Amino acid sequence: ETGVTQTPRHLVMGMTNKKSLKCEQHLGHNAMYWYKQSAKKPLELMFVYNFKEQTENNSVPSRFSPECPNSSHLFLHLHTLQPEDSALYLCASSGGVSSRYEQYFGPGTRLTVT
Amino acid sequence: AQKVTQAQTEISVVEKEDVTLDCVYETRDTTYYLFWYKQPPSGELVFLIRRNSFDEQNEISGRYSWNFQKSTSSFNFTITASQVVDSAVYFCALSSGAGSYQLTFGKGTKLSVIP
Repeated sequence: ETGVTQTPRHLVMGMTNKKSLKCEQHLGHNAMYWYKQSAKKPLELMFVYNFKEQTENNSVPSRFSPECPNSSHLFLHLHTLQPEDSALYLCASSGGVSSRYEQYFGPGTRLTVT
Repeated sequence: AQKVTQAQTEISVVEKEDVTLDCVYETRDTTYYLFWYKQPPSGELVFLIRRNSFDEQNEISGRYSWNFQKSTSSFNFTITASQVVDSAVYFCALSSGAGSYQLTFGKGTKLSVIP
């Protein structure tokens, strides 16, 4: 596998379910990101990890819980979501936490909360 | 505060036509980076280009070219001789301030190239 992969690609869950999104990067990068892309809204940065340490949490509700066990893997644990959380969730990675490095994105997980 | 405006929500062109996607940005920082990403229907954002604020040279890569004008705070993207495979949503993004990594994205321009 190359680049940034995300699983699952599609997920439908009820408001009481617990699920996890997985992201893996094969680029040797040190920084990983979670973004949310809702219809008709700009991409929103949710979380940033640099060398496994969380450096950013953009006021994301606690029903979203990130986990970064190492520089290659990033998870987003979901529980008691709301219908308005339905969106495309994109993972990205970069060589470092700086704009000197471009971010490479995965294909996203299309989440539908029913 | 930083902001990116992509005024064109949707554009349709016929194959082989040239098309320019507009991007206007706002920032108070003197050091910043500008980016363009392509998002095809598959969903993945594909990195196209990064430009720093000190490099105003225009760039050409195959059928793609970028025009960076600090005087008008614009970073426009032109596709020459468009192809159906160019159909996608294109995002302009800004990262402002030395050491910053946060990208502020525009709302995107949906380009449809009609055969």
